[in-house]
Parts: sequence; structure tokens; C-alpha cells
Amino acid sequence: GENVEQHPSTLSVQEGDSAVIKCTYSDSASNYFPWYKQELGKRPQLIIDIRSNVGEKKDQRIAVTLNKTAKHFSLHITETQPEDSAVYFCAAILNTGFQKLVFGTGTRLLVSP
Amino acid sequence: KAGVTQTPRYLIKTRGQQVTLSCSPISGHRSVSWYQQTPGQGLQFLFEYFSETQRNKGNFPGRFSGRQFSNSRSEMNVSTLELGDSALYLCASRALAGGLVQETQYFGPGTRLLVL
Repeated sequence: GENVEQHPSTLSVQEGDSAVIKCTYSDSASNYFPWYKQELGKRPQLIIDIRSNVGEKKDQRIAVTLNKTAKHFSLHITETQPEDSAVYFCAAILNTGFQKLVFGTGTRLLVSP
Repeated sequence: KAGVTQTPRYLIKTRGQQVTLSCSPISGHRSVSWYQQTPGQGLQFLFEYFSETQRNKGNFPGRFSGRQFSNSRSEMNVSTLELGDSALYLCASRALAGGLVQETQYFGPGTRLLVL
């Protein structure tokens, strides 16, 4: 089916703490998993993505892990800063018919100074 | 390359009217998707066009329609506007490489529609 579940819906952390957002997908054929960050009043922007042939990918303070067996993937942000405050969306490619990107419901991250 | 552009950026309409929004994808991108985003809500998928044909469709009523032109620019139309149609409408484009639509999607700035 077409489903990407994302948790939590809101996340509040103190500056310097780590934040983890988790997503679960339903299509076992999914092979591409991007993460988008949407700051208030702005467009969603791609921050990191991972393909199914790797289990982890890092880019400075952000990392994504993928567990294909369990069909879930997670975004990890270390040493959070106030500018990390935004809504984060995960997504997965649905490979039935014309390839389609299915988004999770979003996580509002608030980093307090 | 210029990014995805959308016009107009802001629009105010009244109930019962119809509206047309425009999206120009990144140069060379052939796929255009449309999303509705209401305050505090996620990205609700409307439809996706590729090579002037609708390829994917979300669960929206028939009042929402779209089309794509030969230059890949896309328009979406909402007829008989309702108050609940007030939202940010985002479009996104994907590239074509090696005959395949690439997975990575890039968003435009959105058109903010207010229905009074």
C-alpha cells in the first residue's frame, strides 16, 4: 500500500541535544528515502537522502539510517541548534506503476536555546 | 539553473470562483507534481504530470484539475472554490535522465491561496 508513517509529530529538545525522527514504509520495493526540511514560510528543501543499497549516510550533523528488513528509516540530528527548528518530512518512493514519492505526515522540531 | 518557479505567489478569491495556478519546473525537468499544504498539515498530494500526461493522482475531488504543456510547464485549476481550499499550493519537479524519471524532487516556493 501507499503509506509512510512518521513519528513523533512534534519534538522539543534543548540546544545541543540530539533529535531522532522515525519513519516506517509499507512498500518493500521502495529504494529511495529522502528527508525534507521546511522552515516557517518557506518551501520544503531536501537535506539528505539514502538509497536502499546502503544502511547509513552522514552529512555533518545529520545522518539517516535505513533498516530494510523492518522497513523503517530514521533521521538523526546531533548537537541541535535553534536554526534546526522546522518541520521535517520523510518520504519513500512507491514503485508501483509510475514511480511516486509518498510523504510522511511531518515532524515539528523545536530547539530551545 | 533557476529553481522551480510558481505564479502568482499570493492570491485572494471568493467562494464559488475558480483559480488557475502556474508552475515552471527546473530547466530539463519533465515531471511536475502538485501538493496542497494547510496550516499545521502535511503535504497532501494532488497529482503528477509527465510528458503532458497525468501519471499519479491523489484523493481530491474533481474540482481540482491540472495539465502540463509541451515545455513541461504545468497549471492546476480549482473550480467552485470553497473556504477549505485556502492553503499553500506547492509544485515540485523531477529530472529525466537516461530515459528514467529521477527520484529527487525539488519544490517551488508555493502559491498561497486565500478563499473568502
